[in-house]
Amino acid sequence: AQKVTQAQTEISVVEKEDVTLDCVYETRDTTYYLFWYKQPPSGELVFLIRRNSFDEQNEISGRYSWNFQKSTSSFNFTITASQVVDSAVYFCALSDLDGFGGKSTFGDGTTLTVKP
Amino acid sequence: DGGITQSPKYLFRKEGQNVTLSCEQNLNHDAMYWYRQDPGQGLRLIYYSQIVNDFQKGDIAEGYSVSREKKESFPLTVTSAQKNPTAFYLCASSTGGRNTEAFFGQGTRLTVV
Repeated sequence: AQKVTQAQTEISVVEKEDVTLDCVYETRDTTYYLFWYKQPPSGELVFLIRRNSFDEQNEISGRYSWNFQKSTSSFNFTITASQVVDSAVYFCALSDLDGFGGKSTFGDGTTLTVKP
Repeated sequence: DGGITQSPKYLFRKEGQNVTLSCEQNLNHDAMYWYRQDPGQGLRLIYYSQIVNDFQKGDIAEGYSVSREKKESFPLTVTSAQKNPTAFYLCASSTGGRNTEAFFGQGTRLTVV
């Protein structure tokens, strides 16, 4: 069965610090997709990034970057120069052979608090 | 604007009453989902539907029911059989492919007193 572990329940940083959110996954499938979502206080989850199992290239989007390593089954998310607006709950999710679109396995989330 | 609308945002009900949560999408997505979120926990799938007039149980379907009579609507009924219904409920939709992300509504916070 698939599983997603976000070991960090809560992280608190001061503005402008860099912060990395960890995500470790388990699946027996060779083809799968990983996602990161952001849930601000308003409650709506917002899609951030998707990565398929055959693409291990790291990705950078502005202050956000993602490091995918199949060897360690990890898909970590780094925010550079954090800002107060980055405060939210962040979820990592996995979609494998049994999954599609929103039918993903979600981690328990990491609550990030960025203090001014 | 395209998106998912959940209503109401807050809902209070007495124990033993059934309650229906609304979810409407205008994204023309085939698949729709209902998730439950409890404090400190991730999202748990209640029901999902890949096509009109068809739906499947998720991981925690007991005490819930759904219908999918129209592509754009996927209401969730929390029945009196649900032992602990107080939670935050999220509706989502997607195009259905395995590599596609989900689009979420703003959620309904249900409190049963």
